Amino acid sequence: DTEVTQTPKHLVMGMTNKKSLKCEQHMGHRAMYWYKQKAKKPPELMFVYSYEKLSINESVPSRFSPECPNSSLLNLHLHALQPEDSALYLCASSQDRTSGYNEQFFGPGTRLTVL
Amino acid sequence: GQSLEQPSEVTAVEGAIVQINCTYQTSGFYGLSWYQQHDGGAPTFLSYNALDGLEETGRFSSFLSRSDSYGYLLLQELQMKDSASYFCAVLGNYGQNFVFGPGTRLSVLP
Repeated sequence: DTEVTQTPKHLVMGMTNKKSLKCEQHMGHRAMYWYKQKAKKPPELMFVYSYEKLSINESVPSRFSPECPNSSLLNLHLHALQPEDSALYLCASSQDRTSGYNEQFFGPGTRLTVL
Repeated sequence: GQSLEQPSEVTAVEGAIVQINCTYQTSGFYGLSWYQQHDGGAPTFLSYNALDGLEETGRFSSFLSRSDSYGYLLLQELQMKDSASYFCAVLGNYGQNFVFGPGTRLSVLP
């Protein structure tokens, strides 16, 4: 299984809502990533988990809260978002972050719209 | 910090060869990756170069010159399905930072 799955595919939420994005992989990868991508822009790294520990937080606002319950699952909890947070949120995984080799497998993404 | 530069757009015809260049600035360089992303799709890994030289995978090849902080992706025998955005990405700061370049939009014409 070389697939990263993400749910939901689409999400519309108000600025006062709380929602969560979910990501799952069963490739035995020990590094997992959250990215944000705006239209016609490159993916921007938000968070990196390595061996289920948060290793990188790219100065992301606290209204985004990541969680890694186990080595296969990654969540992104959303609260009090702003309209400018509307974007495609991509999850990715890779074998690990220590070898230097960095082939990342991406999920299809969650298209988030904040009203 | 890290920065990368790529041409914003490239156009070529079916069957042709196209080269997409990428220059980067980073410290603690580990490697340069290339990803393909079709409209509405997720990025797909194409190649990774950690050492100088050419890596070939089918119709795609990737080159790296660490001394010049430069790499390129070479696409041969272009097909319509190769129309997509291509991103270089640098793993720098001794593996602590991963940054995508701005992307190159490739259009393959019949």
